[in-house]
Amino acid sequence: GNSVTQMEGPVTLSEEAFLTINCTYTATGYPSLFWYVQYPGEGLQLLLKATKADDKGSNKGFEATYRKETTSFHLEKGSVQVSDSAVYFCALSEGGSSNTGKLIFGQGTTLQVKP
Amino acid sequence: DTGVSQDPRHKITKRGQNVTFRCDPISEHNRLYWYRQTLGQGPEFLTYFQNEAQLEKSRLLSDRFSAERPKGSFSTLEIQRTEQGDSAMYLCASSPTNFPYNEQFFGPGTRLTVL
Repeated sequence: GNSVTQMEGPVTLSEEAFLTINCTYTATGYPSLFWYVQYPGEGLQLLLKATKADDKGSNKGFEATYRKETTSFHLEKGSVQVSDSAVYFCALSEGGSSNTGKLIFGQGTTLQVKP
Repeated sequence: DTGVSQDPRHKITKRGQNVTFRCDPISEHNRLYWYRQTLGQGPEFLTYFQNEAQLEKSRLLSDRFSAERPKGSFSTLEIQRTEQGDSAMYLCASSPTNFPYNEQFFGPGTRLTVL
């Protein structure tokens, strides 16, 4: 079945460091890919998305490129801030015209940024 | 605020009791999803509605769980004879039927603790 695998956390970085959180997926067809973020005490928020191969999603300085050849959707940011401390979830939604839209999530990666 | 709302935000109950949660989606969204999130894990799909029709249920949804969306607007999730293993965050999300993006908007969740 379809699945998402994220790198283990927690990830601890100093402010202004470069961030990469790895995400790989297994899916049939052409899924859409998402990164969601969960800040402490808040609900899940969509951070960025990509709907087809080679698309790059970007938002708030974060970006991720849909790589079909490596089945990956790694999240990157050039310079993290303390306010980026949160749990990040990679997710996929099955493709196809009859899709239900349900999301399959990775286990989440906790990011802690220290000043 | 026109986002997804959930009620209650927290519920503490004793094993064997029944509980019911409510979700109010964004008004123009005809798709509604329920997920369950346990500590340190990503959300897991439970069930999905297209308007008032429940179109898919996960194997995670045992016979003790039932969900309804009677008029295609709000939804309820009931758990009968709760068990300690039911302790989790229950998330509701909604989306428009907008193939292929399937972007979902999440509510704040209901945290269930079964004693």
